[in-house]
Amino acid sequence: AQSVSQHNHHVILSEAASLELGCNYSYGGTVNLFWYVQYPGQHLQLLLKYFSGDPLVKGIKGFEAEFIKSKFSFNLRKPSVQWSDTAEYFCAVMYNNNDMRFGAGTRLTVKP
Amino acid sequence: NAGVTQTPKFQVLKTGQSMTLQCAQDMNHNSMYWYRQDPGMGLRLIYYSASEGTTDKGEVPNGYNVSRLNKREFSLRLESAAPSQTSVYFCASSFSPGPGTDTQYFGPGTRLTVL
Repeated sequence: AQSVSQHNHHVILSEAASLELGCNYSYGGTVNLFWYVQYPGQHLQLLLKYFSGDPLVKGIKGFEAEFIKSKFSFNLRKPSVQWSDTAEYFCAVMYNNNDMRFGAGTRLTVKP
Repeated sequence: NAGVTQTPKFQVLKTGQSMTLQCAQDMNHNSMYWYRQDPGMGLRLIYYSASEGTTDKGEVPNGYNVSRLNKREFSLRLESAAPSQTSVYFCASSFSPGPGTDTQYFGPGTRLTVL
C-alpha cells in the first residue's frame, strides 16, 4: 500500500532558526505532492503543491519545498521561522490522480 | 463565502448508536471528501464523491456510509458506532471532478467520541 512518512513528530525551534521538515513517500506511479498546515484552532490549509515543472516550489508565508524524484522526497523548508509558524504540518501525496495519502504530521513549536 | 462547513463540532455517542455528520460547501466544487484523523496516523480518506450522484470508497470505508445529497452537501453516516470510530472527521472539497490534482479545501472538523 502507498504510504507517506514524516520523520519528525515534534520539532522545536527558536525564532529565526531555519526549518526543514522531511517527507518521503513510497513508489506508486504518478504523484502530485502537497504540504498542508493546520494552525491552532484553524482548518487545514494548503501551503504549497507540486504537480510538474520546476522541482523547487514556493508557497505562502515564505515556505518552499523541493521534489527530489530519485529520493522519493518532498521536504519543506523555511530559512527563518517565526512564532506564528507554530502549527502542525502535513505532507500529502496524490497517487495516480485518485488516491490521496497523508503523512502523520509534524508538530512545529517556535519559541519567541 | 463560508467555504466548507461541518456540523456538529463535537459529538459523544454510545456504542451502537447511529449518527450523521453533515458537510456543505459553497464554492461550487465538484468533488467532496470525508477523512478521519487519528493521533500518529495523519488523515485517512474514508469516502469521496467525484461529482453529484457518485461516491467511491477511500482507504478506510468500513463502518461508514455516505450520501451526496446535491452538489453542495455530502454526509457521512455511522450506522452502529464503535469505539474504534472515535476520531476527528474532516470534510473537504475541490473543484476538479475527481480527486485529481486539485487543491482540497477543508472544513473545521467534527470531534467524535464513542464510549
